[in-house]
Amino acid sequence: NAGVTQTPKFQVLKTGQSMTLQCAQDMNHEYMSWYRQDPGMGLRLIHYSVGAGITDQGEVPNGYNVSRSTTEDFPLRLLSAAPSQTSVYFCASSSRWKGTTEAFFGQGTRLTVV
Amino acid sequence: QQQVKQSPQSLIVQKGGISIINCAYENTAFDYFPWYQQFPGKGPALLIAIRPDVSEKKEGRFTISFNKSAKQFSLHIMDSQPGDSATYFCAASMYDGGSQGNLIFGKGTKLSVKP
Repeated sequence: NAGVTQTPKFQVLKTGQSMTLQCAQDMNHEYMSWYRQDPGMGLRLIHYSVGAGITDQGEVPNGYNVSRSTTEDFPLRLLSAAPSQTSVYFCASSSRWKGTTEAFFGQGTRLTVV
Repeated sequence: QQQVKQSPQSLIVQKGGISIINCAYENTAFDYFPWYQQFPGKGPALLIAIRPDVSEKKEGRFTISFNKSAKQFSLHIMDSQPGDSATYFCAASMYDGGSQGNLIFGKGTKLSVKP
């Protein structure tokens, strides 16, 4: 059971380039989310999805797009990378029924934009 | 107000000591308060969680104390060990009628336990 798998683990982009961070889960969770982690800022929610075909914005959505075509996959797209998007990105999944809300995180993608 | 405020930002404790991390929240609709533990290079992982109908929850050396009237909750690590050295995040969420809502995280506490 792999849990939440993120690829790649590391990435360097030039300003203006686009890329997709991949996230897949094998726990049949309906809820998936993307966070970014910056020093002293904690984990900030970028986008989330409560099920296939349904996505919504979190606290810091600008510059990012998401889609959810299947239960398993929730890719995060950077449209035109900026140095301010240098961060560690985490994907998480959970079952959102009341009382079973443990979020399972992937290992993270460390992104540097130069 | 959705914010969760966490303190201290960093903490150094001697082996065998007690580590205490505090969090405060404003939104009284929050009804789920987990703590996550993160080791370097890894994703956060659930450590322990509490709901506001109890004032304390203990799992091994880890205890959450919850004060609903003060809107505060804290993590106590008894007999702290070097292996506990990690970053700890408190979080909160609310049930919004359909399902449990998004987790709102504190900014984290970096704990170092000295041998």
